Amino acid sequence: TQLLEQSPQFLSIQEGENLTVYCNSSSVFSSLQWYRQEPGEGPVLLVTVVTGGEVKKLKRLTFQFGDARKDSSLHITAAQPGDTGLYLCAGVNTGFQKLVFGTGTRLLVSP
Amino acid sequence: KAGVTQTPRYLIKTRGQQVTLSCSPISGHRSVSWYQQTPGQGLQFLFEYFSETQRNKGNFPGRFSGRQFSNSRSEMNVSTLELGDSALYLCASSLAGGIKNGNEQFFGPGTRLTVL
Repeated sequence: TQLLEQSPQFLSIQEGENLTVYCNSSSVFSSLQWYRQEPGEGPVLLVTVVTGGEVKKLKRLTFQFGDARKDSSLHITAAQPGDTGLYLCAGVNTGFQKLVFGTGTRLLVSP
Repeated sequence: KAGVTQTPRYLIKTRGQQVTLSCSPISGHRSVSWYQQTPGQGLQFLFEYFSETQRNKGNFPGRFSGRQFSNSRSEMNVSTLELGDSALYLCASSLAGGIKNGNEQFFGPGTRLTVL
């Protein structure tokens, strides 16, 4: 069974702080996705990283895929209350039509 | 372009009953996947349908089943409900090639099922 462990599980910070969320696995994935889910809604895709060592930036969010394609990180600079939500990483395996989701990180950014 | 819609949004059932949830994918999307989300287990894959056929299946008991219609709409059924089936059930649609071909999955808002 493939598992994706995220850390931390919960994060409560003040507006303007920086944070990093980690997503780790013992398995190799062909690509890795990051989602954000808000209450009452389904997850929304933020980014897909495909190449080992790849770094993608989305405004204040920076995503990195590990060289061995087993881990990833999400860094948020100058967090804002609008960043509040559940952040999920999800691994994709070649040949499979399913996502393996991480355990999730719940982020609360207070004004 | 309308998103993925799921009905009903909320459902309360009692143990032993059965339930059917419905999902309408984004127009043009032919792959529909179902996931269960609980606080303890997180988001887990149930199954995926394409062209009215189950293409992939997760590790859930046979009480969980699904089907897809010719218009790509999908339903999932849970029989003999247990307390542990209380969860948010999410449906996601993607283009025909599915996620293994790099197609994005778009999630619906989910159906919140409570089993009493």
